[in-house]
This record gives sequence, structure tokens and C-alpha cells, in this order.
Amino acid sequence: AAGVIQSPRHLIKEKRETATLKCYPIPRHDTVYWYQQGPGQDPQFLISFYEKMQSDKGSIPDRFSAQQFSDYHSELNMSSLELGDSALYFCASSPKGLAGSEQFFGPGTRLTVL
Amino acid sequence: GENVEQHPSTLSVQEGDSAVIKCTYSDSASNYFPWYKQELGKRPQLIIDIRSNVGEKKDQRIAVTLNKTAKHFSLHITETQPEDSAVYFCAASRGNDYKLSFGAGTTVTVRA
Repeated sequence: AAGVIQSPRHLIKEKRETATLKCYPIPRHDTVYWYQQGPGQDPQFLISFYEKMQSDKGSIPDRFSAQQFSDYHSELNMSSLELGDSALYFCASSPKGLAGSEQFFGPGTRLTVL
Repeated sequence: GENVEQHPSTLSVQEGDSAVIKCTYSDSASNYFPWYKQELGKRPQLIIDIRSNVGEKKDQRIAVTLNKTAKHFSLHITETQPEDSAVYFCAASRGNDYKLSFGAGTTVTVRA
């Protein structure tokens, strides 16, 4: 079965650089969520999109922005990177409807900021 | 916002014994409670979930119970095996298209 695809899987950046993370949800899933997981931490919700509109916003820094495109893929743009941004970034997707709460996670992008 | 507390933070059990992890939540509007298993460096994987109209759900060696009045839910793993060793996260959500609020995680170690 198709799963959530994230790219790149690993990314190394310098401080103050920018990064773009991509997420391709499971086919026919129209909701995308972004989570940030620091070492030894639980995943923290950043932002979500439903039908290409932002549906919820969590602890996402102003330096970060995201959007969902017409093909439902999503991109997380991160600017002025800081050392503390080093983390695993997970994208998850869910289908609409009563069962829509079940979120399927992608393999994650490991971002290292030097 | 939702606050999910999870206990214990670490759990070591002998192979074949049972493991129990407990979580509490604060938002009475939460109605969906999944449990995820995460191995080091890997994605969280859903192992079982329960919705607020159900008090208990079982899937082979894994069971989850929910007490809406007390706002707590628990994961039970019976006949533990070494491959059950991982970090387990509970989570809560208001349901459709809502974010997941995670507990801090429980590191489970199954001793052979």
C-alpha cells in the first residue's frame, strides 16, 4: 500500500540558511499535518492543512511557513535556521470523514543545522 | 489546549510479562485516542486506537481501555516479546482533521 512520502530524508544546513521539506500524502488523503520531534521528545504539532487551506496552527515559529498545493502535497519552508531547529520533521496524512482522525506518518526528514 | 500526561517514562519487563502504560488528558472535547510505537529514528506507527464511544478495544496481545469520566486511558501489552521494545506514545485528538497532542512517551524494554 502507498505510504506518506517525505523528501529529502536527510538535510544538513548551516545557521541562517533556508530549507524546504516536502510531503506527499497517501492518495485520497486530503489533510496533511507537520510535526517536529527533537531528540528524546514527543512529536510537537506545527501546522496542518485541509483541502489546501490551513486548518490548524501549533507551535510553529514565524520563521517557518507551509502550504498545501492543488495535488495535496505540502511543503514546509524554514528560514533563518537556528541550531535548535535540528530535529526530525514528520509529515502525516489522514483521510476525510469519521475515520479521518487516524494519522499515517511519513518516514521523516532529519534536519541537522550546523 | 490539550495536555496529555503519560506514565511511566521508562518500563522494564521480563519477556512474557505484561506491560501497562497510563495516560491522562485534560480536554473534555477529545474523542480519539491513538497509541503509537516508535523505534529509534523511525516514524511513529499506529498500533491501536480507541474512540470515546468505546470503553475497551483489543487486538491480539494489545488492549486499550478508556475512562472518559476520569479522562484517562491505558495501554496493556500481554506476553511481551523482545520486539515490543520501543518508545510508546499515547495521544489525544478532538477528532476529524484535528492535531494530535502526544504524551511524553514511555521507553519499554523487554528483557529476554
